[in-house]
Parts: sequence; C-alpha cells; structure tokens
Amino acid sequence: EIVMTQSPATLSVSPGERATLSCRASQSINTNLAWYQQKPGQAPRLLIYGAFTRATGLPARFSGGGSGTDFTLTISSLQSEDFAVYYCQQFYSWPLTFGGGTKVEIK
Amino acid sequence: QVTLKESGPALVKPTQTLTLTCSFSGFSLSTRGIRVSWIRQPPGKALQWLARIDWNDDKFYFTSLKPRLSVSKDTSKNQVVLTMTNMDPVDTGTYYCAQTSGDNCFDPWGPGTLVTVSS
Repeated sequence: EIVMTQSPATLSVSPGERATLSCRASQSINTNLAWYQQKPGQAPRLLIYGAFTRATGLPARFSGGGSGTDFTLTISSLQSEDFAVYYCQQFYSWPLTFGGGTKVEIK
Repeated sequence: QVTLKESGPALVKPTQTLTLTCSFSGFSLSTRGIRVSWIRQPPGKALQWLARIDWNDDKFYFTSLKPRLSVSKDTSKNQVVLTMTNMDPVDTGTYYCAQTSGDNCFDPWGPGTLVTVSS
C-alpha cells in the first residue's frame, strides 16, 4: 500500500497570499496524483488530476506540480472560498490511497 | 448532468451488516468505461477509498477490508449497492459514492451519508 503524507497539517494564510501544499508518496507514483478540496459539510471536489491538469472550470490560481514522490498544490492568491481542507490521492496502484489532508485556514 | 446520492441507515449496531445504496443519474453503468467507487470518511479524519465497480462488473476492494466488503450494481435502477459486514464503531463516518474515471479519480461525488455504529 502506498502511503501518502501531506504537509503541513494546517496552513495559516492571509487572503491574497500564496499557499503551497505538499504531498509525498512512499514510493514513486509518476504523475498519478489527484488533488481534492473539501469544505465543511460538503463532499470533496476534484481539483487537479495527473498531477498538474486542472479540472474543468477550476480557476487558474490553482496549479499542481511534481512527479515521482513529491508533489505540490499551489494557490497563487487565496480567495475567501479557498479556505478548506485539501487532500491528495494516488492512483498509481491498488489500493487507491489518500493523504491525511492539509487544512488551509485564515491567518 | 451527472449526480449521485447515497442512502441507507443512519445507525447500525456493532456486528450488523451495513447496506448502502448509491442512486445516480446522467450516466449508465452499462456503458463501457463507466465506474463507480465508494469512499468513506470518519468524523474529522481523512478519506479512505473502499471499493469500485465497473461497467463490465469488475470489482476492486481496499485490501484489508476486502473480507467485509461487497459491491454490486443494478443497471436497470441506476444503482450501486455496498455492503459491509461485521460493523464496528470505528466504521462510523460519512460514506460517499463517486463516479470514477479511467485514471481512478473521483468526480463528481454524492453528498454523502453519515453512518453511526453504536449499540
């Protein structure tokens, strides 16, 4: 089983600032990585797949990067609606696994 | 427009079997390439993928939970059913179904259904 580790657990950022979230896989997963956003009381929403491809309609301020074992999700200028929990997920091998999440909170 | 919605009991007792239904619209599970997964989330914790069923009835399960899980489909009703046996309080959480791409990404998701395991 591939273990996904996200850091930091909580990221305090002021609106308008840049946020960089990290996700590390316990073994190489090439670019078989997705990112999801989850707001309180809601289901997760797919943001990024294939490590860097934005889902339909996702604002350009969201960008994904990385390959192998180390990945990032960057939000270039945080808007109020971006404060949420973000999860990474690998789809390189079974079983499919998620990271523990990073909560982006208002500083 | 693709939508999914989970339904089932809000409360189950320890050792009981949980049966959840995912009702969907906007696609058919008899169409080649269509897949549906189940994912759960304990309160305040991370997501855990549980199972996937494909248009051709292929099934995939989370390794350590495989003995307890079963997924099936009813294409005429546009439903997917998940059963989980021998429920335990640690199985408490919100259970989601989601359409699953060929890459095994989940989009979109249903709103989820909260299941509490307690005597």
